[in-house]
Amino acid sequence: AQSVTQLGSHVSVSEGALVLLRCNYSSSVPPYLFWYVQYPNQGLQLLLKYTTGATLVKGINGFEAEFKKSETSFHLTKPSAHMSDAAEYFCAVSVPLRGTYKYIFGTGTRLKVLA
Amino acid sequence: EAGVTQSPTHLIKTRGQQATLRCSPISGHTSVYWYQQALGLGLQFLLWYDEGEERNRGNFPPRFSGRQFPNYSSELNVNALELEDSALYLCASSSGLAGVDTQYFGPGTRLTVL
Repeated sequence: AQSVTQLGSHVSVSEGALVLLRCNYSSSVPPYLFWYVQYPNQGLQLLLKYTTGATLVKGINGFEAEFKKSETSFHLTKPSAHMSDAAEYFCAVSVPLRGTYKYIFGTGTRLKVLA
Repeated sequence: EAGVTQSPTHLIKTRGQQATLRCSPISGHTSVYWYQQALGLGLQFLLWYDEGEERNRGNFPPRFSGRQFPNYSSELNVNALELEDSALYLCASSSGLAGVDTQYFGPGTRLTVL
């Protein structure tokens, strides 16, 4: 069965430090991979997505993620955290299923940025 | 360009009642998705509509139902409300059927069941 696992429901980093949010997936077929961010009292917005091609994907606000098929991972990184990055981050996969697609979201990682 | 809109913002119901939540997608988008975001559980996929048809359904009981109208707006109905239905309900829209499409989310409807 397909699944998405985000390691760490809460992550704290200091301002200026590296941000690393982990995402692993389980799928019998190659999935499409997404990272979304949710700021307080708002809906989700897309940070970046991997469909095909280059495995290192750059997104908005300086975030990037690398698809590693051998590790079934799609970790999100940012070299230097900013206070405005404090939010909840969701990893998601889209897998083909019986002629349509099934979307699965992880349980989210809440990022706290310390001054 | 207007984003995805949802109404109402907040909804308070008592156990056993019915709730109706509404969603208007971005102009030109034909697909509408519904998710339940309960505390600590992430986003749970509820329903996916495209061109007026239900394309996929998550692991929720039949008392969760919905429909999509000719103008692509959508309605989520929850019958016989239970306390555990209290959650943020998010609607998203996308431009097509392909699994690579970005989903654009609305701000959600906070449902509280007393």
